[in-house]
Amino acid sequence: QVQLQESGPGVVKPSETLSLTCSVSGGSINGFYWSWIRRPPGKGLEWIGLISYNGNTNYNPSLKSRLTISVDTSENHFSLKLDSVTAADTAVYFCARRGFYYDSSGYYLLDYWGRGTPVTVSS
Amino acid sequence: EIVLTQSPDFQSVTPKEKVTITCRASQSIGTTLHWYQLKADQSPKVLIKDASQPFSGVPPRFSGSGSGTDFTLTINGLEAEDVATYYCHQSSSLPYTFGQGTKLEIK
Repeated sequence: QVQLQESGPGVVKPSETLSLTCSVSGGSINGFYWSWIRRPPGKGLEWIGLISYNGNTNYNPSLKSRLTISVDTSENHFSLKLDSVTAADTAVYFCARRGFYYDSSGYYLLDYWGRGTPVTVSS
Repeated sequence: EIVLTQSPDFQSVTPKEKVTITCRASQSIGTTLHWYQLKADQSPKVLIKDASQPFSGVPPRFSGSGSGTDFTLTINGLEAEDVATYYCHQSSSLPYTFGQGTKLEIK
């Protein structure tokens, strides 16, 4: 079974860059799209963006100007960089796999997730 | 973007109770609506995919229905382990979006 594990610094200073990595085990990163999602304290889930195994990306417009998602197939992991962070970027960050399913019609589903890593923006 | 609005935001429930959570989309999304369960320090889990299809390994007390703009998650006979926050999510169009969440607590 595919397992995902987020890793990152825990605390980032305001105006600096947040960097996170999602390591994939139990399956290859090839052939799939991979996503980042976050949950700010006391709020709901927010979709951040998506990357394919060969580097095609799609970002949430609200974060696009500060966001870079990249993939390393040789290491079987993908990464997130968020520039110029503020307190509003404090959240638990999750990574997930996007699978394709077919019931009555075809659709995408964020089917396997990591446990999340907490990030606090604070000086 | 498609806005998903869940109801209620919070519910205090008793074991064995039937629980219903609704999710309304700001525009029609067919059946591309999924339900997740989120517990502290755990990976979010898919309960229902494509509005009404149970995900692998999900107990039969969880069911989903709906299409277009109105969807429902039902828990028939709540168990103590079901205390969690539940989210609806649409993958019909980018940017993907989630409902604001419904938190269930035991009375």
